[in-house]
Amino acid sequence: EPEVTQTPSHQVTQMGQEVILRCVPISNHLYFYWYRQILGQKVEFLVSFYNNEISEKSEIFDDQFSVERPDGSNFTLKIRSTKLEDSAMYFCASNRLGYEQFFGPGTRLTVL
Amino acid sequence: DQQVKQNSPSLSVQEGRISILNCDYTNSMFDYFLWYKKYPAEGPTFLISISSIKDKNEDGRFTVFLNKSAKHLSLHIVPSQPGDSAVYFCAASDGSSGGSNYKLTFGKGTLLTVNP
Repeated sequence: EPEVTQTPSHQVTQMGQEVILRCVPISNHLYFYWYRQILGQKVEFLVSFYNNEISEKSEIFDDQFSVERPDGSNFTLKIRSTKLEDSAMYFCASNRLGYEQFFGPGTRLTVL
Repeated sequence: DQQVKQNSPSLSVQEGRISILNCDYTNSMFDYFLWYKKYPAEGPTFLISISSIKDKNEDGRFTVFLNKSAKHLSLHIVPSQPGDSAVYFCAASDGSSGGSNYKLTFGKGTLLTVNP
């Protein structure tokens, strides 16, 4: 069964450094999303992406964040200058149409 | 801003009994509701969903009930099995913006433990 994959599973970085989180959505999916979950809190929407452009972004998704689909398979989330409060699990999700989204296993980002 | 609320952080039931997980929402624009299950170190896995035009949807051991007037939904698992032990998230979506935006708004989750 096809699945969403994410790399790395765990990323440790120093505050102020740039990180790129990578996702490979399911191959025939058209809509792509990033969510994050700070420890002990709910899963929060960051951004949705369709047809090579951002569809919607939350207030969390400020100028430090960017997304890209550099080729036909990868979908990336870049954080330009990480802060301590960016430490969280980051989930990529995708779907072809409709509401049900398929989530990857997540990348745990730890900012020191 | 808790548009989706799961007021029970945890629930413990005996194997074979019914598990009932509850969810409340405040946004009247939500028109689709989903339940996701999450095991540790894994991403959320879609379980079952319901459109706002329905009041019940059943899939095997899982049934979701929607009470629009009360802005309340519940997930029933019958019979509960130890493998059902996980965090269950309620999520909602507002498709009124149409097109490509189906962002999900999640509750905080309920940890279900099914004891053998």
